[in-house]
Amino acid sequence: EAQVTQNPRYLITVTGKKLTVTCSQNMNHEYMSWYRQDPGLGLRQIYYSMNVEVTDKGDVPEGYKVSRKEKRNFPLILESPSPNQTSLYFCASRTGHKSGEQYFGPGTRLTVT
Amino acid sequence: GESVGLHLPTLSVQEGDNSIINCAYSNSASDYFIWYKQESGKGPQFIIDIRSNMDKRQGQRVTVLLNKTVKHLSLQIAATQPGDSAVYFCAENSDYSGGSNYKLTFGKGTLLTVNP
Repeated sequence: EAQVTQNPRYLITVTGKKLTVTCSQNMNHEYMSWYRQDPGLGLRQIYYSMNVEVTDKGDVPEGYKVSRKEKRNFPLILESPSPNQTSLYFCASRTGHKSGEQYFGPGTRLTVT
Repeated sequence: GESVGLHLPTLSVQEGDNSIINCAYSNSASDYFIWYKQESGKGPQFIIDIRSNMDKRQGQRVTVLLNKTVKHLSLQIAATQPGDSAVYFCAENSDYSGGSNYKLTFGKGTLLTVNP
């Protein structure tokens, strides 16, 4: 089954404690993205990757890092989480940046206290 | 302001009625538009898409209409069912770097509630 998986699904942490949210897709997609979803603000892109070892900032990259060492994996790293990073996070993938049909993961609900 | 705009409204319909969800966009260079459905606790799910060289596309119980003159996109759901209750997002795919970088930009969403 074609899918995007994320782990963990729920996470409560404290300010400053480094964390990683993993993302994996099994569709051999080149393009992957991370979004955060906040009430009233919709989906905003944090980082994206057009292929292995190619990553770039999205609209709200501050406080986040990513890596793309393998095509299927695109982890999101919060080196020093802060309360304003409390949000719902989605990983997504699609064939390429011109291909619109984008598959989303199930989401990770992060709370930073 | 946002290039893809839904003022986050709530649309409430009776089961069996038709639903129409609207979206305005501002980037005339967008060449591809998508509607997503997001159920509570889940990630957005692709519903239907349309390219800028088309003005209408139909799927199973859904139709997307594109009016490039007024930069307007709509999603019509026929015979709405309780399982259609969700937040619906439109998204546009635009080129931000001379053909080398397209990006999806999402509207804020509309909450559709279907009353039995």
